[in-house]
Amino acid sequence: QVLLQESGPGLVQSSETLSLTCSVSGGSISSYYWSWIRQPPGKGLEWIGNVFHGGSTNYSPSLKTRVTISLDTSRTQFSLHLTSVTAADTAVYYCAASPGHTFDYWGQGTLVTVSS
Amino acid sequence: SSDLTQPPSVSVSPGQTARISCSGDALPKQFASWYQQKPGQAPVLVIYKDTQRPSGVPERLSGSSSGTTVTLTISGVQPDDEADYYCQSADNSASDPVLFGGGTKLIVL
Repeated sequence: QVLLQESGPGLVQSSETLSLTCSVSGGSISSYYWSWIRQPPGKGLEWIGNVFHGGSTNYSPSLKTRVTISLDTSRTQFSLHLTSVTAADTAVYYCAASPGHTFDYWGQGTLVTVSS
Repeated sequence: SSDLTQPPSVSVSPGQTARISCSGDALPKQFASWYQQKPGQAPVLVIYKDTQRPSGVPERLSGSSSGTTVTLTISGVQPDDEADYYCQSADNSASDPVLFGGGTKLIVL
């Protein structure tokens, strides 16, 4: 059973960088793709991107110019950095683990509000 | 198109059968998954590889696939099944590796 826990600021100023960390326990860091997914209030799910062991990444085309996802195997955690945020980036951010393209495990989610 | 299209809502009475569809050009080539999300909670995987149920998911929930459409079927709907349901697949085109449908709210009357 893989357990995931998001952490980071709940409020970010407009135009600044949103940074979140997901701590992983109960699973091998080399066995999964590690993803970030977000959900604006009252809306659907949006995949942001993922990282695999070794550091290879994939990003959503709509966000790839602003997103960096990285993996820290020594700390068994991975991170999200989203630059130049606007109100449209206000959302619940989830981290998730997938052995392939199915998201088997999810964190509880963390709400990040972008303030002007 | 690489989109996945779901109806915004489906309404059903308790004990009846609910069917939630998801359509997209990627579906004949890639497996689909389904997630159940209740208010204030993270999504939970309920179907993967079109038809497979993770352990712990009731047999009342089943998945099927035909051409460009996959369907989540919930038999003997219970009030606790009221939730948002999302389909998800992949598109191996470089433009969009992971796709989510817009979500369907299952309303139990």
